[in-house]
Amino acid sequence: AQSVTQLGSHVSVSEGALVLLRCNYSSSVPPYLFWYVQYPNQGLQLLLKYTSAATLVKGINGFEAEFKKSETSFHLTKPSAHMSDAAEYFCAVAGGSYIPTFGRGTSLIVHP
Amino acid sequence: NAGVTQTPKFQVLKTGQSMTLQCAQDMNHNSMYWYRQDPGMGLRLIYYSASEGTTDKGEVPNGYNVSRLNKREFSLRLESAAPSQTSVYFCASTRALGGTGDVGPQHFGDGTRLSIL
Repeated sequence: AQSVTQLGSHVSVSEGALVLLRCNYSSSVPPYLFWYVQYPNQGLQLLLKYTSAATLVKGINGFEAEFKKSETSFHLTKPSAHMSDAAEYFCAVAGGSYIPTFGRGTSLIVHP
Repeated sequence: NAGVTQTPKFQVLKTGQSMTLQCAQDMNHNSMYWYRQDPGMGLRLIYYSASEGTTDKGEVPNGYNVSRLNKREFSLRLESAAPSQTSVYFCASTRALGGTGDVGPQHFGDGTRLSIL
């Protein structure tokens, strides 16, 4: 069985501030982990993917995520938020079935 | 690059009507998926097709049927639409579902916004 918990349905930051979106997972096998971003009226786009090659994964648009096995976490960060980062973010885990399970999403709000 | 194309983009149905949502990908992917997205619920898997000729139920298959027409196309059918099926539907594809030792990222269409009155 696998599951994903995204803490906080909404996260609000000021432009230029640190972005931290939290994701905790459970998986009975070593997982594949993903972060996706969804802009209004669009489908999901891949931000980054963890496949055990390195615990710190760099993605597009300045985002990165760190895999911490002991904490079963895969939090997404960005040092400095831009207005264009405002979107919905989804964490997903894929275990033995290879079919991803998605979290409920976190809406990132960026204030000027 | 078209990627994953979904039609229609919007649709309004009356309860009891039927319709088919179309999805096509041009990336030569083996695996295709249908999800529904509802506020606060994330994406929930309706059906998937690991490869051409196979389909399997996901988390919420009731009220839906699918057809993997060929490697490119994967359609979702609502036989008798109900208001509870009002949602945004997304089709996605991946290179392969497991087997290669790697789980590729999913590529998504832009969705079909379906309202059932």
